[in-house]
Amino acid sequence: EPEVTQTPSHQVTQMGQEVILRCVPISNHLYFYWYRQILGQKVEFLVSFYNNEISEKSEIFDDQFSVERPDGSNFTLKIRSTKLEDSAMYFCASKGTSGRLEQFFGPGTRLTVL
Amino acid sequence: ILNVEQSPQSLHVQEGDSTNFTCSFPSSNFYALHWYRWETAKSPEALFVMTLNGDEKKKGRISATLNTKEGYSYLYIKGSQPEDSATYLCARGGGADGLTFGKGTHLIIQP
Repeated sequence: EPEVTQTPSHQVTQMGQEVILRCVPISNHLYFYWYRQILGQKVEFLVSFYNNEISEKSEIFDDQFSVERPDGSNFTLKIRSTKLEDSAMYFCASKGTSGRLEQFFGPGTRLTVL
Repeated sequence: ILNVEQSPQSLHVQEGDSTNFTCSFPSSNFYALHWYRWETAKSPEALFVMTLNGDEKKKGRISATLNTKEGYSYLYIKGSQPEDSATYLCARGGGADGLTFGKGTHLIIQP
């Protein structure tokens, strides 16, 4: 069964460093999302991406964040200059056509900023 | 209700017993309600998506109902098994938009 994959599973970085989190969505999906969950809090929406551009973004998704679909398979989230408060589990999700509502999630990347 | 809220936060259930928990959400501008099952270190697994008031969905021993007018959904598990132990998340939204999640109900099935 097709699944969303994410790499790495755990990333440790120093404050101020740039990180890139990678996702491979399900191959025929058209809509792509990033979410995060800070420990003990709700899963929060960051950004959605469709037709090679951002569809919607939350207040969390400021200028420090960017997303890209550099080729036909990968979907990346870049954090330019990480802060301590960026430490969280980051989930990628993808969805098929506009008629399908289910979002399929990857297993997440745990980001630890020291 | 401004946010998606789930109750209880955690639940211990004896194996074989049935259980249910609640998701409350803003009823205005409703699009869809999602239920996910999430085990630690795994991907959240989509259980149900419901869109219409009165919707009922079933998958094996798990079922869900939806009331969009009053803004709530129930998830039921019949004859709980140890493998049902997980966090159950509900989320409102869909389409190209992101989902708004509740904090989840952490279910522990005791043998």
